[in-house]
Amino acid sequence: QLQLQESGPGLVNPSETLSLTCTVSGGSISSSNYYWSWIRQPPEKGLEWVGSIYYSGTTHYNPSLKSRVTMSVDTSKNQFSLKLNSVTAADTAVYFCARITSGWYYFDFWGQGSLVTVSS
Amino acid sequence: DIQMTQSPSSLSASPGDSVTITCRASQSITTSLNWYQQKPGKAPKLLIYAASSLQSGVPSRFSGSGSGTVFILTITSLQLEDFATYYCQQSYSTLYTFGQGTKLEVK
Repeated sequence: QLQLQESGPGLVNPSETLSLTCTVSGGSISSSNYYWSWIRQPPEKGLEWVGSIYYSGTTHYNPSLKSRVTMSVDTSKNQFSLKLNSVTAADTAVYFCARITSGWYYFDFWGQGSLVTVSS
Repeated sequence: DIQMTQSPSSLSASPGDSVTITCRASQSITTSLNWYQQKPGKAPKLLIYAASSLQSGVPSRFSGSGSGTVFILTITSLQLEDFATYYCQQSYSTLYTFGQGTKLEVK
């Protein structure tokens, strides 16, 4: 069974960079049928897609965050990562990593989520 | 961006009832619409993809319909485990967007 697990600091200072890694187990991140995504959810709010990456390194970012987001993939470790710079309190959220199945492009496997709080 | 609007925002029902949740897209998205269930403190779970296809392992009391701009999630014979928040999500555009959510509560 595919599993995804987020890891990274739970507290980030304002203006600094948020960094998270998603480790994929039970399947290969290099499969041509899938993309890998980050989705975030501020406390008590809805879901916002942050961006997606293909195993080749091709990325798509939410335009509202594009100037601050960088995603990368490490196929040797079966991991993909998110960096969000110049963070503010508005970036406080649970960050989920998820798999997208190509074709109909739905998020079918999710990590448990990682709460990141932006505060000094 | 394609805006997704769900109605109602919240809904009260009793076990055994049937309920419907509507999701409207700001432009036609053909059938590129997915539904998720989220329980407190948990990740969303895929229920329906491509508007009406049931994800493997999801009970048949969940069903989806619609195309273009209006989509419906129907849950029949509500079970206690169905009380949760439901989200629609469009995949017509690679700028994926979600509805604001519908919270289904026990009456």
